Amino acid sequence: GQNIDQPTEMTATEGAIVQINCTYQTSGFNGLFWYQQHAGEAPTFLSYNVLDGLEEKGRFSSFLSRSKGYSYLLLKELQMKDSASYLCASQPNSGNTPLVFGKGTRLSVIA
Amino acid sequence: DVKVTQSSRYLVKRTGEKVFLECVQDMDHENMFWYRQDPGLGLRLIYFSYDVKMKEKGDIPEGYSVSREKKERFSLILESASTNQTSMYLCASTFLSVTGELFFGEGSRLTVL
Repeated sequence: GQNIDQPTEMTATEGAIVQINCTYQTSGFNGLFWYQQHAGEAPTFLSYNVLDGLEEKGRFSSFLSRSKGYSYLLLKELQMKDSASYLCASQPNSGNTPLVFGKGTRLSVIA
Repeated sequence: DVKVTQSSRYLVKRTGEKVFLECVQDMDHENMFWYRQDPGLGLRLIYFSYDVKMKEKGDIPEGYSVSREKKERFSLILESASTNQTSMYLCASTFLSVTGELFFGEGSRLTVL
């Protein structure tokens, strides 16, 4: 089975750092995706982790620990435009099984 | 620039009507998907297709059917719309593997009265 957990909502201050956690319990795990979705828009790809460790991409970083079934998305120097939902998705190791999404974390950045 | 285009951004239909949601991608992707997104429930997979004329049920296929007659086009059909099908519908596609990076359309917000 597949189960993905992430917090429903978070609030952070402009300029700060925020960490959005995602835990997964999946049978046959290959990798983990993070997507960003602004209100009323389509989700867009942010990051993909298949190996343990931190992947940095500008202000955004994503971390994966396969042994702990845990990932996080780290957003630095928060800007108002970072207010969005962040979706965590587990990638199965079976080529015929689609991604499994968490319910998303709605991040509000306040001044 | 890659593009997934959904035919309608907003639709209002009546209970019992047949509804067609169309999706076209211009990236020559093998795999296409239909999701619905509801507050508190996240993205839920309705159907996906890994080849022309092929389809697979997702997590919530009841009340829906799909059609993929051409590689670039994937249609979602509600045979008899019901109020509980009021939702945001998102189409997506991936290259090669069904587990690859998803490219999403802008979404179609359907209201069933």
